[in-house]
Amino acid sequence: GQSLEQPSEVTAVEGAIVQINCTYQTSGFYGLSWYQQHDGGAPTFLSYNGLDGLEETGRFSSFLSRSDSYGYLLLQELQMKDSASYFCAVRASGFQKLVFGTGTRLLVSP
Amino acid sequence: DTGVSQNPRHKITKRGQNVTFRCDPISEHNRLYWYRQTLGQGPEFLTYFQNEAQLEKSRLLSDRFSAERPKGSFSTLEIQRTEQGDSAMYLCASSPSGGAAKNIQYFGAGTRLSVL
Repeated sequence: GQSLEQPSEVTAVEGAIVQINCTYQTSGFYGLSWYQQHDGGAPTFLSYNGLDGLEETGRFSSFLSRSDSYGYLLLQELQMKDSASYFCAVRASGFQKLVFGTGTRLLVSP
Repeated sequence: DTGVSQNPRHKITKRGQNVTFRCDPISEHNRLYWYRQTLGQGPEFLTYFQNEAQLEKSRLLSDRFSAERPKGSFSTLEIQRTEQGDSAMYLCASSPSGGAAKNIQYFGAGTRLSVL
């Protein structure tokens, strides 16, 4: 089977940097994705890592270490609108489905 | 590109009734997924189609659940004899099978089911 662990909640202030960690267990790892979900909204794709290293997309970056079964999402220059839940999701090779973590609720305060 | 469309947005039903949800994926996407999400949890995979073929199915998908994608375009998810435990948000997602976006699943806004 597959399982993921991420912190349940993180708080930060506007303009700060926050890192959300994700550890996973899976056989036949293919890739790790990050999704953002505002309350009542649809999950929206943020970033994907198939290989080790850092992927940067604007204020968001994601890192993967396959040997450590570990990844993180880095959010810079936090804005109030970044308050949302963030999910890491793993895909195993040979499958298309994503297995999601339980999510990290990010609260950004002024 | 109008995004993934799901109907209805909300459904309230009584226990024991059957319900059907519809998903229209992004038009050029040949992959379609159904997930279920309960409050405070991440989406849980239910099933996956490539074109009209149902290729992956979760053990969560009991015999009361059935999904179809008859022409490889829209999909329906039916739940028979609903139970209170079926109350959840049902999410549909789609993706292309090639190109830069093949690892991105685009989600619809979901259908919220409440079973009374």
